[in-house]
This record gives sequence, C-alpha cells and structure tokens, in this order.
Amino acid sequence: GENVEQHPSTLSVQEGDSAVIKCTYSDSASNYFPWYKQELGKRPQLIIDIRSNVGEKKDQRIAVTLNKTAKHFSLHITETQPEDSAVYFCAASPLSGGYNKLIFGAGTRLAVHP
Amino acid sequence: EAGVAQSPRYKIIEKRQSVAFWCNPISGHATLYWYQQILGQGPKLLIQFQNNGVVDDSQLPKDRFSAERLKGVDSTLKIQPAKLEDSAVYLCASSLKGGLAGNNEQFFGPGTRLTVL
Repeated sequence: GENVEQHPSTLSVQEGDSAVIKCTYSDSASNYFPWYKQELGKRPQLIIDIRSNVGEKKDQRIAVTLNKTAKHFSLHITETQPEDSAVYFCAASPLSGGYNKLIFGAGTRLAVHP
Repeated sequence: EAGVAQSPRYKIIEKRQSVAFWCNPISGHATLYWYQQILGQGPKLLIQFQNNGVVDDSQLPKDRFSAERLKGVDSTLKIQPAKLEDSAVYLCASSLKGGLAGNNEQFFGPGTRLTVL
C-alpha cells in the first residue's frame, strides 16, 4: 500500500544552523507534497508544499526539493530559530478514486537550542 | 475566515462505551477528512468525504467506527464500542477541492483528544 517514510525521527540543532528532513514515498502517481508543522498540543499547519511538476520551491528560510525519479523529497530550514522547534510532518498525495488524499510520514521532532 | 471547528476538545470514556465527535469545516470547502493521530505518529486518514459522499474509507475500522456528512457540511465520527487502542487525537480537516486539479491544501481543526480507560 501507499507509504511515506520520514527521517530522522528527532533532530537537534544549534540556533542559526540548518536542518534537513528527508522523506521517501512509495506511490509514483503522487503529485502533491506538503509539509506541516505541529507545535505541542496544536493543530498541524501547512508551511510549504510542492507539486510534481516543480523540482524546488523556496519561501524565506524554508525550501523543499523533490526528486521524482528517486521518489524522495526534503525540507530545508536555514538560520534556524528557537521558534522553529516543533514536529514536522511530510506527506504525499496519491490519487484515490479520482480524489487526492494525504499519506503522512511519522514526523520529525526538531529542537533548536539557543 | 473562520477555521475548522471541532468538539469536544477532550473526552475520557471507559472501554466498550460509545463516543461521537463533531466537525464543522471551513465554509465552502467541499472535501472533509477525518484523521486519527496516535501519540508520536503522523495523522492517519480514516475517511474522506466529497460533499456528502464517501470517496475513501479504506482505513476506517468499519466494525466500530462510522462517519456521516448528511448535508455536505458538518460531519460526525462515532466509535462504538471503544477500545483502549482508540486513544488518540481525532483531527478533522477540510479543503476547497480534493481532486487532481483542485486546491489540495488541507486546513486542520484543533482536534479531539480521546482517552479510553
């Protein structure tokens, strides 16, 4: 079945360093790849997404890259700040009955230390 | 714009009891999703509605879980009877459209934290 693997499960960096989170997906028909940030006790919130016809997308300090051939995509956060500390989830969107659904990875707990 | 609303926010029940959760999506959003998020894991899709029709319920444990969206707006998710392993946060999300050519962004509600004792 459809599956998304996410690594690492935990990531600890010093403020100002970069953080990279990687995901692989199984369904080659997936065409949409969002990243969500979830702070403790709060709802997941979309931070960036990329579609299968684009290889890279950047929004200020965050960027996402997609390699369709290898079926993997990555989140890059530069100049990390303590408020970046949260759990980050990647997701892939395969078609199901003509409609997109999201398959989430297990999450990466990012800790940014001042 | 008002976000996705869910109630209750917390619920504690004994195993074998029943429980129901309610979700009101963002106005005008055709697609509604129910997810189960077990502690330390990513959200897992339980059921997806397009208007008032089910388009995916492949991961819904149908012997105990049921969901409806009768008028294509609000939705309820029910568990009967509950098991210990149902303890989780139940998230509702909505999107404008769920199809290939549509806007895929999903907006999540605050969730209902269920504890089954």
